[in-house]
Amino acid sequence: DIQMTQSPSTLSAYVGDRVTVTCRASQNISSWLAWYQQKPGKAPKVLIYKASSLESGVPSRFRGSGFGTEFTLTISSLQPGDSTSYYCQQYDSSPYTFGQGTKLEIK
Amino acid sequence: EVQLVESGGGLVQPGGSLRLSCAASEFTFSSYWMSWVRQAPGKGLEWVANIEEDGSEKYYVDSVKGRFTISRDNAKNSLYLQLNSLRVEDTAVYYCARERDNSGDFDYWGQGTLVTVSS
Repeated sequence: DIQMTQSPSTLSAYVGDRVTVTCRASQNISSWLAWYQQKPGKAPKVLIYKASSLESGVPSRFRGSGFGTEFTLTISSLQPGDSTSYYCQQYDSSPYTFGQGTKLEIK
Repeated sequence: EVQLVESGGGLVQPGGSLRLSCAASEFTFSSYWMSWVRQAPGKGLEWVANIEEDGSEKYYVDSVKGRFTISRDNAKNSLYLQLNSLRVEDTAVYYCARERDNSGDFDYWGQGTLVTVSS
């Protein structure tokens, strides 16, 4: 199985800051990576797919990059509503696997 | 608007069974791979199983192989997950999710249904 290592597990930043979350795959997954945002009590919502494609309706301050084994999610200017949990997911091969999550807090 | 609505969750004793359902609407259900993803209380996301458009191919995470069965009824626009031999560690919110263009990321999710395994 492909292991996804996400860091950091928690992140605290100010409104307006640029923040980055990293996801590393245990083997090459090409661009088969998605990023999800999950608010408490709600289903996850896809932000980025195929490593860098922005989901329709998602603000352009969210950007995904990377290829192979190392990927990043960048929020260019943190907004209060961005304070929640984020997960990466590889879908290069079954079983699909998720990172352990990053909880983003506003200082 | 695409809708996925899960049902069937509840409280069950260890060793028991449940059948989860997911009703799909506003898209051509028979043209998409579908998945179940679960989330234990306070924990991260875990993919559980998926099924090809016509139901001929199915895949499972190792921890549920032989205990859970995914199925679908395209005439009823419905996805199912039969959970047998349930364990305490199967306690989670179970989400059904549509795989985008059958590629493996999930573009639509249901609201989830809670399965609690406890004596």
